[in-house]
Amino acid sequence: DTGVSQDPRHKITKRGQNVTFRCDPISEHNRLYWYRQTLGQGPEFLTYFQNEAQLEKSRLLSDRFSAERPKGSFSTLEIQRTEQGDSAMYLCASSPGLSYEQYFGPGTRLTVT
Amino acid sequence: GQNIDQPTEMTATEGAIVQINCTYQTSGFNGLFWYQQHAGEAPTFLSYNVLDGLEEKGRFSSFLSRSKGYSYLLLKELQMKDSASYLCAVRTNAGKSTFGDGTTLTVKP
Repeated sequence: DTGVSQDPRHKITKRGQNVTFRCDPISEHNRLYWYRQTLGQGPEFLTYFQNEAQLEKSRLLSDRFSAERPKGSFSTLEIQRTEQGDSAMYLCASSPGLSYEQYFGPGTRLTVT
Repeated sequence: GQNIDQPTEMTATEGAIVQINCTYQTSGFNGLFWYQQHAGEAPTFLSYNVLDGLEEKGRFSSFLSRSKGYSYLLLKELQMKDSASYLCAVRTNAGKSTFGDGTTLTVKP
């Protein structure tokens, strides 16, 4: 296993379109996190799964954002009716059951035009 | 809510020692992380402190004082490749991790 993978790496979309990103965590990591990062800022927490259960979701997230982890393995993050302010790097991270260190994927860079 | 403060930028000389400070205010504290992030790359884990004291790992050490809401990352024998952003992050009992905006360290020859 080479680490956390994310797909696509880059996405350009027009305002108002829906986009979906995928994250494949390190196998057997039961915790999975989604973050958003813009230039000069630290990663901003979006949501967190333990296995298939979504345990925490940022209040900053509007109803346009949704995430799933149906079988406790890969996860998807969907943004509906994208806005220019959604342009950012979307990072996924996973961590194993016995420690809390997070291993980050390479991210999906979203550009909304 | 959570509030994390760290300096925006620091500069140091190759071979020297640098200390990057982080202060935080949070409820339900359950550990503090340090991550390194090179430009255009994802963060990579450096250290995790949940108890007070100093954790040493090679050239990098991290210190935590829970009563003061304070941590620092100490980098020794600086190398040019240490030029990066260093992110302080606090984990809560709910499992959420909140990151600071990072300290951009520039190592000069």
